[in-house]
Amino acid sequence: EAQVTQNPRYLITVTGKKLTVTCSQNMNHEYMSWYRQDPGLGLRQIYYSMNVEVTDKGDVPEGYKVSRKEKRNFPLILESPSPNQTSLYFCASSSLRQGSDSPLHFGNGTRLTVT
Amino acid sequence: AQSVTQPDIHITVSEGASLELRCNYSYGATPYLFWYVQSPGQGLQLLLKYFSGDTLVQGIKGFEAEFKRSQSSFNLRKPSVHWSDAAEYFCAARNTGGFKTIFGAGTRLFVKA
Repeated sequence: EAQVTQNPRYLITVTGKKLTVTCSQNMNHEYMSWYRQDPGLGLRQIYYSMNVEVTDKGDVPEGYKVSRKEKRNFPLILESPSPNQTSLYFCASSSLRQGSDSPLHFGNGTRLTVT
Repeated sequence: AQSVTQPDIHITVSEGASLELRCNYSYGATPYLFWYVQSPGQGLQLLLKYFSGDTLVQGIKGFEAEFKRSQSSFNLRKPSVHWSDAAEYFCAARNTGGFKTIFGAGTRLFVKA
């Protein structure tokens, strides 16, 4: 089954404790992206990647890192989480080969709470 | 700046009634347009998309959307709402030839019996 898998689904942590949210897709998609969803703000892009070893900042990259060492994986790293990073996070992927009208495929989300 | 606006934060309709969710976009040229649905605890799922041609687009679950260039709108409609349609709906846009997708703030749909 074609899917984007995020782990964990729920995460509670304390300020300053490094964490990683994993994302994996099995559709051989070139494009992968991380979003955060906050009430009234919709989805805002954190980072995206057009292919292996190619990553770039989105609209709200501060406090986050990503890597794209393999095509299928795109982990999101919070080196020193802060309470304002409490949010619902989504990983998404899309095919570049099918053209820019190809839709995003989303994971089920990771709800992060930073205390 | 490019933007997508969903004017309604939430909408309540009775089961069986018709539904229209509004979406307006601001782009230099007509973008690709998408509607996604997010059920509780789930990721976003594509309902339909518009990229060219017929301005009335059919999607899954009985939804349709109409692209109106003169109004910069892409409103989502359904003739008869079911209780299972209760969810949050996001309109999104992407430049032709690009891959950055901009989302609206979402409209939460409540369905009453």
